[in-house]
Amino acid sequence: DADVTQTPRNRITKTGKRIMLECSQTKGHDRMYWYRQDPGLGLRLIYYSFDVKDINKGEISDGYSVSRQAQAKFSLSLESAIPNQTALYFCATSSWGQGSGANVLTFGAGSRLTVL
Amino acid sequence: GQQVMQIPQYQHVQEGEDFTTYCNSSTTLSNIQWYKQRPGGHPVFLIQLVKSGEVKKQKRLTFQFGEAKKNSSLHITATQTTDVGTYFCAGPGAGTASKLTFGTGTRLQVTL
Repeated sequence: DADVTQTPRNRITKTGKRIMLECSQTKGHDRMYWYRQDPGLGLRLIYYSFDVKDINKGEISDGYSVSRQAQAKFSLSLESAIPNQTALYFCATSSWGQGSGANVLTFGAGSRLTVL
Repeated sequence: GQQVMQIPQYQHVQEGEDFTTYCNSSTTLSNIQWYKQRPGGHPVFLIQLVKSGEVKKQKRLTFQFGEAKKNSSLHITATQTTDVGTYFCAGPGAGTASKLTFGTGTRLQVTL
């Protein structure tokens, strides 16, 4: 099984619909992230969480919300989807610390969202 | 805010040719990471550089971190078709080592 699992892997929806993308991890990492990938723009951070009680906005949080239900679960919601939110979404995790492997991101397989 | 740019955006090479991608940050970085994303896949961590002027090698891949810690490069010697993908650099944002800002990426295509 994958260390970081995202569901759904693909979703087509209509403008105005509410969408939730879910992420779960078995890495035991305390830090979780949601990134959005668009061609030519790289990966842009939407939200991140350093522990269950911590939620932080990234560079493009408008139109999105998140919930950290448990250390292993971090979901991303689009309350009212719009076409320019069509993109590939990645969840990622990392551990905290100074040692080797700390602060390195482990990504899920991605969730491709199309908003018509 | 912090910006991380990569050039070129795309490069197409013949198998056996060398390839280099350059990463430039608008701010000084405490460290830099490199990731590779195969077509249809997800980014996978390659390496992290921490020291000014550091050079690390992984087989045919050579990574450098600039003296001023604002730029980095990835050089692939004698490319192979397995090198196809998009290469991203990423550096920590101000105030936290865990919040990475990714570069725009360089997509490498290798043909026989």
